[in-house]
Amino acid sequence: SQKIEQNSEALNIQEGKTATLTCNYTNYSPAYLQWYRQDPGRGPVFLLLIRENEKEKRKERLKVTFDTTLKQSLFHITASQPADSATYLCALDAPGNTDKLIFGTGTRLQVFP
Amino acid sequence: DAGVTQSPTHLIKTRGQQVTLRCSPKSGHDTVSWYQQALGQGPQFIFQYYEEEERQRGNFPDRFSGHQFPNYSSELNVNALLLGDSALYLCASMGQENYGYTFGSGTRLTVV
Repeated sequence: SQKIEQNSEALNIQEGKTATLTCNYTNYSPAYLQWYRQDPGRGPVFLLLIRENEKEKRKERLKVTFDTTLKQSLFHITASQPADSATYLCALDAPGNTDKLIFGTGTRLQVFP
Repeated sequence: DAGVTQSPTHLIKTRGQQVTLRCSPKSGHDTVSWYQQALGQGPQFIFQYYEEEERQRGNFPDRFSGHQFPNYSSELNVNALLLGDSALYLCASMGQENYGYTFGSGTRLTVV
């Protein structure tokens, strides 16, 4: 079955630095990959979607890369701020051209001043 | 423009009881999906509704059922509740553009 791994449960970085989160997957080739932010007690908030034929996507301070050979996506937050502290979830579309998403367990990012 | 609205926000039920959770999708969205999120885990897909029909289903038992109404709102029903059903239940909607889901804040269900 499909498996998604996010590099670590928690990541602590200093304000102003670039945070890099990793999402690795196995056993199939998704058509697209999405990143969400989730704050405690709230639902995930969509950030970025990148398709299999795209290498990189940017939105303000966010950048996502998608390497289908390595089966890996990297999510970068540049000039990080304490307000960026949250859990970040990676999600892939399930096999069979469906809209069903398979989520990783998330990485909890803490940005300290 | 209201996003996805879920009710209730919190709920406590006893084992064996039944529960109904409700969801109103974002304006303009016609597809509704339900996810279960246990503490410390990512959301797990339960099922998806489109045009009032269940279009896809995840690995959840038949105790989990749903419905979508003509106005695109949806309900999730869980029968014969187990302690393990305690979780955050998330509703997500999507429009025809298929560009990321909009999630509600969820219903926190506690089974005691």
